Amino acid sequence: GNSVTQMEGPVTLSEEAFLTINCTYTATGYPSLFWYVQYPGEGLQLLLKATKADDKGSNKGFEATYRKETTSFHLEKGSVQVSDSAVYFCALRRSENSGYSTLTFGKGTMLLVSP
Amino acid sequence: EAGVTQFPSHSVIEKGQTVTLRCDPISGHDNLYWYRRVMGKEIKFLLHFVKESKQDESGMPNNRFLAERTGGTYSTLKVQPAELEDSGVYFCASSQKGRGTEAFFGQGTRLTVV
Repeated sequence: GNSVTQMEGPVTLSEEAFLTINCTYTATGYPSLFWYVQYPGEGLQLLLKATKADDKGSNKGFEATYRKETTSFHLEKGSVQVSDSAVYFCALRRSENSGYSTLTFGKGTMLLVSP
Repeated sequence: EAGVTQFPSHSVIEKGQTVTLRCDPISGHDNLYWYRRVMGKEIKFLLHFVKESKQDESGMPNNRFLAERTGGTYSTLKVQPAELEDSGVYFCASSQKGRGTEAFFGQGTRLTVV
C-alpha cells in the first residue's frame, strides 16, 4: 500500500538557519507529492506540490524536488524565520488513474524557530 | 469566499456518549473528505463524498462512525458511542469536481473522549 515516512521532530533551529525535512514514500503508480503546513491554531494549508518525477515545487522560499529514483520529496528552505514555526506534513495523492484524489500523509514534523 | 468550516472546534465528551461533527465545504465543491489525526500519528483518510454519495469509505474505522452529506452540501460525522481511542483531530477537506484538483482543509475539530 501507499505510505509516507518523514523525519521525527521537533526540529529546532535558529532564525536564518537552513532547513531540511526529509520525506520518503512508497506508492504504486505515479503519485503526486505534497507538503502541507499547519500553523498554530489554523488548518492545513497546501505549501507546495509536484506531480511528476524531477518536478520542483516551490512557495514562500520552500522547495522540494520529486525524486523518483530515491522515492523522496525532501523539504528545504535556505533561511527560516520565526514565522515558519509550524507542523509540516508530507503527503501523496494516489495515481490519477484511480479516479479521485485522496491523500496519504506522514506523521508530521514540528518546526520550532527561535529568534 | 469562505473556506472550509468545521464545528465545533473542540469537543470533550465522556466515553459512551454521542458526538456529531459538522463540515461546511467551500461552496460548489463536489468532493468532500474526512480525515483524522490521532495524537502523534499520521493524518488518516476516513472517507470521501462526491456530492451526496459516498465514493470511498475504506478508511472508516468501524460501524460506530456514520457520515452523511445532506443534499451534497454540508456533511456530518457522528460517533456513537464514543470510545477513548476516538480522541484526535478530525479534519474535513473539499475540492472541486474533477481529478487532481487541490483539496482545501478546515481547521479541524479536536475531539477528546474521557
